[in-house]
Amino acid sequence: SAVISQKPSRDICQRGTSLTIQCQVDSQVTMMFWYRQQPGQSLTLIATANQGSEATYESGFVIDKFPISRPNLTFSTLTVSNMSPEDSSIYLCSVEKGYGSGANTGELFFGEGSRLTVL
Amino acid sequence: AQKITQTQPGMFVQEKEAVTLDCTYDTSDPSYGLFWYKQPSSGEMIFLIYQGSYDQQNATEGRYSLNFQKARKSANLVISASQLGDSAMYFCAMREGTYFGGSQGNLIFGKGTKLSVKP
Repeated sequence: SAVISQKPSRDICQRGTSLTIQCQVDSQVTMMFWYRQQPGQSLTLIATANQGSEATYESGFVIDKFPISRPNLTFSTLTVSNMSPEDSSIYLCSVEKGYGSGANTGELFFGEGSRLTVL
Repeated sequence: AQKITQTQPGMFVQEKEAVTLDCTYDTSDPSYGLFWYKQPSSGEMIFLIYQGSYDQQNATEGRYSLNFQKARKSANLVISASQLGDSAMYFCAMREGTYFGGSQGNLIFGKGTKLSVKP
């Protein structure tokens, strides 16, 4: 299993500021996924981050608002830019279990999430 | 159309009894995986159980079992002998595309069911 560490675990931010969330994995993975979970809602994929290439964003999410870095195979950052109260959410980093093995089931491991509150 | 439908926003169950959480899905891809995750109030996402579209038998993991009815496109989670610690949000999710050697699709989540276990 993969161990995923996210920082910060929670933060309270002012409107108009930006915050960068870090995700560290204890093993090398090709794909890392960033999800958002708004209060009382389900998880929505923001983007998929591959090492060495631009992140692939889902409909409704843009790079200017959610820039992502993926400098190596164990680390990624997600920045939430120019925050508004609507960005108050839990942001979760995840990686695929068993990548590269023949028995990959597609299960994702999740970090503990970063709970952001924007005032 | 929604890919994953969980029709029960909330459920109550008496401690030590069994409970079934409903999940129906929609896909035209013959190869897919179905997952259940538990999210306690702390926010982390905990993987519970997995069912592959080609699996002949229903998946079981301890007190969790998945009632997979492929023709009806349903993948209900059954929790036996409920415990107080089972109180949490439960999310059904699906991943489409071939999963041997690497999944292709996004993990799509349902809206979740909040389970409350009564003492």
